[in-house]
Formats: sequence, structure tokens, C-alpha cells
Amino acid sequence: EIVMTQSPATLSVSPGERATLSCRASQSVSSNLAWYQQKPGQAPRLLIYGASTRATGIPARFSGSGSGTEFTLTISSLQSEDFAVYYCQQYNNWPHFGQGTRLEIK
Amino acid sequence: EVQLVESGGVVVQPGGSLRLSCAASGFTFDDYTMHWVRQAPGKGLEWVSLISWDGGSTYYADSVKGRFTISRDNSKNSLYLQMNSLRTEDTALYYCAKDGGFGDSKTTAIDYWGQGTLVTVSS
Repeated sequence: EIVMTQSPATLSVSPGERATLSCRASQSVSSNLAWYQQKPGQAPRLLIYGASTRATGIPARFSGSGSGTEFTLTISSLQSEDFAVYYCQQYNNWPHFGQGTRLEIK
Repeated sequence: EVQLVESGGVVVQPGGSLRLSCAASGFTFDDYTMHWVRQAPGKGLEWVSLISWDGGSTYYADSVKGRFTISRDNSKNSLYLQMNSLRTEDTALYYCAKDGGFGDSKTTAIDYWGQGTLVTVSS
């Protein structure tokens, strides 16, 4: 089983600043990595797939990078609507999600 | 517009059984792998199961293997999850989800999610 570890568990950032979220896989998942955003009471929303490809309708301030075991989601200039929980998910083998990073307003 | 509408979530006793359903619309259902993903109250996402476009291949998380069965009826644009021998730790919001089909592998990222149906296992 591939274990996905996200860090930090909680990230406090001010609006307008940059946020960097990390995701590490216990073994290589190539570029088979997705990022999701989840707001309270809502279903998750796909942001990034293939480690770096933005999903349809996702603003350019969201970007993904990495391959193998180390991945990063960067939000270049935080908007109020970006404060949420973010999950990474590998699909190189059976899907596995990370435990999530809560992005909160500083 | 893609829509996924789950139903069937109720309160059930430990050891009981339940069948969840998901009605899909707005896309060619039999072109895509489908998933069930769950989320326990206040917790993260846990992938449960997937089924290939034709129902010929199914896969399960270790936590539900041997107890849950995923199936689909492409003539009805519907996905199902039969849940047997339920445990308290199965309590969660269960999401029906569509695979994005972004490549040739058995599964890729999930691009659409339903709103979920709540299963509570309690005596």
C-alpha cells in the first residue's frame, strides 16, 4: 500500500500571500497525483491531475509540481474562497488519499 | 451538466446490510470507471472501491474487501454499493464519483463527485 503524507497539517496564510502545500508518497507514483479542494459541507473539487495539469475551470493561481515521491501544490495569491482543506491523491496503484492540509486565514 | 445523486444511506445496526445507489446523468456513463469514496465525520477522504466501464473489473480497499460489492447497470446509468457485515467504523458520508479518464490506466483522478449519502452504523 502506498502511503500519502501531507504537510503541514494546518497552514496559516494571509490573503494575497502565497501558500505551498506538500505531499509525499511512500514509493514512486510517477506523475499519477491529483489535488482536491474541499470546503465545509461540500464535496471535493478536482484542482490538479497528472501532478501539474489544472482541471477545467481552475484558476491559474493554482499550480502543481513534482514527480516520483515529492509533490507541491502552490496557490500564488490567496483569495478568500481558497481557505479550505486540500487533499492529495495518488492513482498509480489503487487510489489513496493523503490526510489533508487545512489552509486557514492568518 | 454532470450529475451524480446518491441514495440509500440510513441508520443500520452493526452486522447489518445496506445497498447504496447512484444515479448518473450528463455524460456517457458506460465510457467511464466509477468510484465510491467515503468520509467519516470530521475525517479525511478514504477511497472504497472502483468498477471499470463495463463492470468487468472491480477493486476494493482492504478495509472493505470481502464485505462490500460494487456493481453498475449501464442500461440505467446507475452505480451501486452493496454493504454487508457493517461495522461502526463504516459510519461515513459515501460519495459516488466519476473517474476523469485522463489516461489509459485503470483509474485516474476523480473529476466529479456527488453530494454523498450518510451511512450510520450504530446499535
